[in-house]
Amino acid sequence: GAGVSQSPRYKVAKRGQDVALRCDPISGHVSLFWYQQALGQGPEFLTYFQNEAQLDKSGLPSDRFFAERPEGSVSTLKIQRTQQEDSAVYLCASSPLRGTQYFGPGTRLTVL
Amino acid sequence: GQQVMQIPQYQHVQEGEDFTTYCNSSTTLSNIQWYKQRPGGHPVFLIQLVKSGEVKKQKRLTFQFGEAKKNSSLHITATQTTDVGTYFCAGRSNFGNEKLTFGTGTRLTIIP
Repeated sequence: GAGVSQSPRYKVAKRGQDVALRCDPISGHVSLFWYQQALGQGPEFLTYFQNEAQLDKSGLPSDRFFAERPEGSVSTLKIQRTQQEDSAVYLCASSPLRGTQYFGPGTRLTVL
Repeated sequence: GQQVMQIPQYQHVQEGEDFTTYCNSSTTLSNIQWYKQRPGGHPVFLIQLVKSGEVKKQKRLTFQFGEAKKNSSLHITATQTTDVGTYFCAGRSNFGNEKLTFGTGTRLTIIP
């Protein structure tokens, strides 16, 4: 079946611009995760959802970062007033409850 | 907060040689997972270890979980060019929270 998809795959933003990154999880997966991966580093946890409930947002770096999953399926990660340090690959993963996490291809965000 | 370190950061081996990466957590883990990320790709799940002292094998790959559930290792026997990539361990600290804390990764390159 189809895997996790993310869009856009690449995004270039000017500093101060708002961006929205989309994640389409594997159908039926209860849990959805967002990670940030800087160049040469491991993925760092941002936030996760079980269905539409955001259970942990402890990894969001600042209040400029906001994530939602209103119907328990598609999720959007929004970054307001982007800054250069936000440049990274944003990875989305989904899983059955407490199951294996399957990652999407990521969105590479470059802030100029 | 929880930290997961891996050593070495880089490993260059001749094709056919063995390779080992070690993972250490600052806190006791409920389980540990291993992922492989090819250059330009996304993390792909390899295996999950749950029990203290557990050892699992996948063909040429051997995974171990320490007795104290704070460390783990991945050993590849007789490396092949297809093994190239970065290997990450990722720990889950308790059963109630699904988030993963990724290690710093070990990047493996193979000299043909």
